Parts: sequence; structure tokens; C-alpha cells
Amino acid sequence: NAGVTQTPKFRILKIGQSMTLQCTQDMNHNYMYWYRQDPGMGLKLIYYSVGAGITDKGEVPNGYNVSRSTTEDFPLRLELAAPSQTSVYFCASRKTGGGLYNEQFFGPGTRLTVL
Amino acid sequence: AQSVAQPEDQVNVAEGNPLTVKCTYSVSGNPYLFWYVQYPNRGLQFLLKYITGDNLVKGSYGFEAEFNKSQTSFHLKKPSALVSDSALYFCAVREGGSQGNLIFGKGTKLSVKP
Repeated sequence: NAGVTQTPKFRILKIGQSMTLQCTQDMNHNYMYWYRQDPGMGLKLIYYSVGAGITDKGEVPNGYNVSRSTTEDFPLRLELAAPSQTSVYFCASRKTGGGLYNEQFFGPGTRLTVL
Repeated sequence: AQSVAQPEDQVNVAEGNPLTVKCTYSVSGNPYLFWYVQYPNRGLQFLLKYITGDNLVKGSYGFEAEFNKSQTSFHLKKPSALVSDSALYFCAVREGGSQGNLIFGKGTKLSVKP
């Protein structure tokens, strides 16, 4: 299994540009998450999904959109990039069986800079 | 509301010495607690979790954590630190009433010197 994969690894955007961060998992996990990591701030949840076709907002959803058309893929869309969205973005997934206490598996991250 | 605090931004230890990375939590019900490690330029990796039962939880790479309900703490420990343990460590608590979402602390940078 490749686990959770993310593309691209790095990206520089200009203010106002749009982009999609890709996330794919091959573990057949129902739950998927998008986080952003800012220095000294830990991880903040942007959006999450409990299965194909179902998404919900996390703590910091403004400026982002998501979709979940398949179990495997959970792309994150930035419509109008702003400098405040400069961050490292992590995608994660979690299996459903065994309750709500299963650990999350993380991708390697996408480092985004908005100038 | 659920929250987790990591009071130390950085912990420095010498190789071979015991290490402790501190975590305290605030929850309204039963706490479900996790530790993750992040190596440079990598995603987070799961180390261990406390759901119920024994207060001493053993995890990956020789790490363990002690759950203390009266002190609302979940400190990460290792008897003998390795230089390769140098990384960023995150404590997390499961958000109550949610779909198992996690709330993360700010992280503690562990530096192990030879």
C-alpha cells in the first residue's frame, strides 16, 4: 500500500490564483481530513469527510472547498489564494471499523506559498 | 470545549537519558488521547493512544505515555533517548460529539544531543 499520497509537494501561487491540492489513499478508509500546519500553531482542521459524497467544515474552512466523489480521493480547492493561506497542508485518513478511536494516517504534505 | 496543551516549545536531552514530553488536556467526558511524531519534511506518524484501561500505554519506537486522570495529563516518555528521536511531537485529543476528529496541541520540538 502507498498509504496517503499528496501532490504537489511544493507550490508557489500568486495572490488571486486558484489551485487544487490532491490527496489519495489506497487503504479503503472512509474518513478523510485536510489540515493546515502553521509554525508554532499545531494542526488546524480545514474540512473532513466521512465517506464519498459527504463533507463537512472543520475549524478553519474559509477560503477552501472540498469534494469527495470517490472513497480514494479528497481534493482541496483554493479559489482565490491569499498570503494567509501560506502553510503546509496535510491530508489524513482513518478507517471506520473499531469505533471512533482509530488513529489517522497522514500524507507527506504540500508546502504552499502565496506571494 | 475540548483542548490540549503542550507547555514546552522545546525539550533538550542528552542521548541515553530519559525523556518526557508533557501534555495536559481538558475534556467534558472520557478522554481519548493520542501522540504523533513528525520528522523533518514528513507527515505525522502515530505513536500511541489511550482509550481506556491501563494508565501506562506502550507505543512505537520504545515510547510510552502515562495517563493521569487527576492531573489531566498524558505525558510521553522514553527511558533512554536516541539522537534519531529528535523530531516534533504532537499530543491530540478526540473532539467530543464529533466524527472522531482530533484537536492537536501546538507541538513540542525534541532535541537529543549526542
